[in-house]
Amino acid sequence: DAGVTQSPTHLIKTRGQQVTLRCSPKSGHDTVSWYQQALGQGPQFIFQYYEEEERQRGNFPDRFSGHQFPNYSSELNVNALLLGDSALYLCASGGTSSGNTIYFGEGSWLTVV
Amino acid sequence: QKEVEQNSGPLSVPEGAIASLNCTYSDRGSQSFFWYRQYSGKSPELIMFIYSNGDKEDGRFTAQLNKASQYVSLLIRDSQPSDSATYLCAVTPNSGNTPLVFGKGTRLSVIA
Repeated sequence: DAGVTQSPTHLIKTRGQQVTLRCSPKSGHDTVSWYQQALGQGPQFIFQYYEEEERQRGNFPDRFSGHQFPNYSSELNVNALLLGDSALYLCASGGTSSGNTIYFGEGSWLTVV
Repeated sequence: QKEVEQNSGPLSVPEGAIASLNCTYSDRGSQSFFWYRQYSGKSPELIMFIYSNGDKEDGRFTAQLNKASQYVSLLIRDSQPSDSATYLCAVTPNSGNTPLVFGKGTRLSVIA
């Protein structure tokens, strides 16, 4: 049973560029959440997708957007990258089968130079 | 603003000792409480969750919850060097798929 998978693992982008991160949830999970974890900080909630719609959103600007596909996989897009966007981006999946327990993928390390 | 507070550490304990990690939260409506372990350069891994006041034990780990004091702790018995990691406390305001609010984590170092 595959867990939460994310891609790419590491990437380097230049300020002003755009990035797309991808996530496949754990089998049986229908809800995907994205978190940003800066160095030395705890993860911060970006947004959550369920039934292909953004259901909840944290305190992040509109430069951060996402999408959920019919197979429950998800993408996180960040436009006009800033140096401060450098962080570990974590995808977490959950669903009725897991109660309110979420499981994280291995994350995508984004460095903006 | 919902907040979760943890001592950043590092907390150093000798091998075989009990490590005690503490967490306080500001939202009295919080219902679910989680402890994640995060090794350097890796993603958080769920260790335990607790919903009710009191203690919950799982192997060498015990989670303790006191909702009146808005306090949750994690005890690690017989600490091993492999327990050296950052421990993240997280809370949710209610049941269901609601976002987790994380603390900044406590760095634990178990000295052999």
